[in-house]
Amino acid sequence: QVQLVQSGAEMRKPGASVKVSCKASGYTFTRYDINWVRQATGQGLEWMGWMSPNRGDTGYAQKFQGRVTITRDTSINTVYMELSSLTSEDTAVYFCARGQGDGYDVYYLDYWGQGTLVTVSS
Amino acid sequence: SYEVTQPPSVSVSPGQTASITCSGEKMGDKYTWWYQQKPGQSPVVVIDQDKQRPSGIPERFSGSKSGNTATLTISGTQTMDEADYYCQAWDSSTVVFGGGTKLTVL
Repeated sequence: QVQLVQSGAEMRKPGASVKVSCKASGYTFTRYDINWVRQATGQGLEWMGWMSPNRGDTGYAQKFQGRVTITRDTSINTVYMELSSLTSEDTAVYFCARGQGDGYDVYYLDYWGQGTLVTVSS
Repeated sequence: SYEVTQPPSVSVSPGQTASITCSGEKMGDKYTWWYQQKPGQSPVVVIDQDKQRPSGIPERFSGSKSGNTATLTISGTQTMDEADYYCQAWDSSTVVFGGGTKLTVL
């Protein structure tokens, strides 16, 4: 069965960076994009960006351009999301999710990781 | 950037029908997906491409679209349906979520 397992909770000080991992199993890793979505406490879902593990292509939401980097290690079926210059506003649960669809008219997130809490506090 | 709008909250009595809307410019030209998220859990797709129900989703969940408004309908709402619901569109290679609607069943 498809599973996305994320790394554990992280705590950082303002100005630091954090790197969260997402290990995929149960399907051919290179066939589907991995997306990152975050959710602050009591708030909605906020899409951050995607990566194609096959080609290494990435796309980022304008809000996070220059501050987020998504990478992958195909030898261990893992995608990473690194967010830099953290502020308290970045305190949130970060989810990875598999992208499904042709990327033209159809694209949605069919399987999600369990979420990783990132806390930014001095 | 593209935006879609949902009502912040909807209330429904058990057994009644709940409707949650999602509006956006040119929504009629795009597919809509609906996710259910319960507290402490990851989102789950309940409606795919406007009106398709994924395997395992109860028949009481349905989706429709009229003009630039998509609607998630839950018929015979149960207390277990109390959750946050998000619509999602795909625009210019960007995943766009609505702000979410808290469904209260009381």
